[in-house]
Amino acid sequence: AQSVAQPEDQVNVAEGNPLTVKCTYSVSGNPYLFWYVQYPNRGLQFLLKYITGDNLVKGSYGFEAEFNKSQTSFHLKKPSALVSDSALYFCAVRASNRLAFGKGNQVVVIP
Amino acid sequence: ETGVTQSPTHLIKTRGQQVTLRCSSQSGHNTVSWYQQALGQGPQFIFQYYREEENGRGNFPPRFSGLQFPNYSSELNVNALELDDSALYLCASSLGVGDVTDTQYFGPGTRLTVL
Repeated sequence: AQSVAQPEDQVNVAEGNPLTVKCTYSVSGNPYLFWYVQYPNRGLQFLLKYITGDNLVKGSYGFEAEFNKSQTSFHLKKPSALVSDSALYFCAVRASNRLAFGKGNQVVVIP
Repeated sequence: ETGVTQSPTHLIKTRGQQVTLRCSSQSGHNTVSWYQQALGQGPQFIFQYYREEENGRGNFPPRFSGLQFPNYSSELNVNALELDDSALYLCASSLGVGDVTDTQYFGPGTRLTVL
């Protein structure tokens, strides 16, 4: 079965420092991977997806993600974190017609 | 904003009651998926509707049912509410089935509390 794992519960980072949120995946076949962000009491906002091609995917709000097939990882990155990036981040993998989500990572950006 | 709307925003029910949640999909999208997000968890897939037909279901009991209308809006119905049904219910719309690369766009959710 298709699944993702987000090994960290919370990521703390100082404003202006690089931000990395980790995700590993387990799939049979080609991986179709997604990142979403959720602000308090809000739905999920799409950030980016990997389908095929370039291993570095660029998305919304300055985020990018690096696909690594040998390490089965799809880590989300931002070169310089903002306080407004504080939110809950979800990695997901396409499983047939549905998305299978990880448990989420709380990101706290410290001013 | 995605253009996906959900109503109501919040809802409080008691055990045993029934509830209906509504979703309007983004313009041009004919597929709607419903997810349940319990507190502190990632969203869990309930089911998907494509052109008014159910197109896949997650591990949820039959008291969770749905509808899709000709305008592609959708309803989620839950009968015989249980305390564990308290969650954020998310609706997502997408362009169509058959394309595994398709992106699902989520609405703001309905917060259901069962007392």
